[in-house]
Amino acid sequence: DTGVSQDPRHKITKRGQNVTFRCDPISEHNRLYWYRQTLGQGPEFLTYFQNEAQLEKSRLLSDRFSAERPKGSFSTLEIQRTEQGDSAMYLCASGAAGSYEQYFGPGTRLTVT
Amino acid sequence: GESVGLHLPTLSVQEGDNSIINCAYSNSASDYFIWYKQESGKGPQFIIDIRSNMDKRQGQRVTVLLNKTVKHLSLQIAATQPGDSAVYFCAENSRGGKLIFGQGTELSVKP
Repeated sequence: DTGVSQDPRHKITKRGQNVTFRCDPISEHNRLYWYRQTLGQGPEFLTYFQNEAQLEKSRLLSDRFSAERPKGSFSTLEIQRTEQGDSAMYLCASGAAGSYEQYFGPGTRLTVT
Repeated sequence: GESVGLHLPTLSVQEGDNSIINCAYSNSASDYFIWYKQESGKGPQFIIDIRSNMDKRQGQRVTVLLNKTVKHLSLQIAATQPGDSAVYFCAENSRGGKLIFGQGTELSVKP
């Protein structure tokens, strides 16, 4: 257990529905990262925050995706109008500013039917 | 473009043998490299890291080697155990931001 928690661990939804995932980072870490991982592939970067500020977004993050970290602690990732291609493991990681190390949570497995 | 890749998708070793997992990277500006272990259904677990100003770093039963001349990274696991069975990813980082992962190597340890 790295100290990064994610909720829910599994989510099954129908195409077209909206889903929201939550990540709670290690408390003293001010950087929070979201990645997406499909079967057999390495995680792909989506976006990251330093405190409340969203510093970088991948082009993978389409208009249907939005991430927030309103108080600089936990973060949410919302996917609107889900598509089957959104089925993946969504991973959250946290780290300290100025440090390269990133510690991952257990992930949220999304299945869109 | 930037990419990190692995030479072998699968590796099978006998328990007690040493394992070597390789990785190639293309971004010469990357200054930090990490190896992660990922078991089925779990998030990646940090194993060991190395900065670009180093050639070698040792941990408990693991050693990472970095060859900047040929942009090659390797992970050596000594006395491989069944619990080491997992998928191993190398990742690169520059400027402390996002990680760029390779595809992964699945390590299978035979008892």
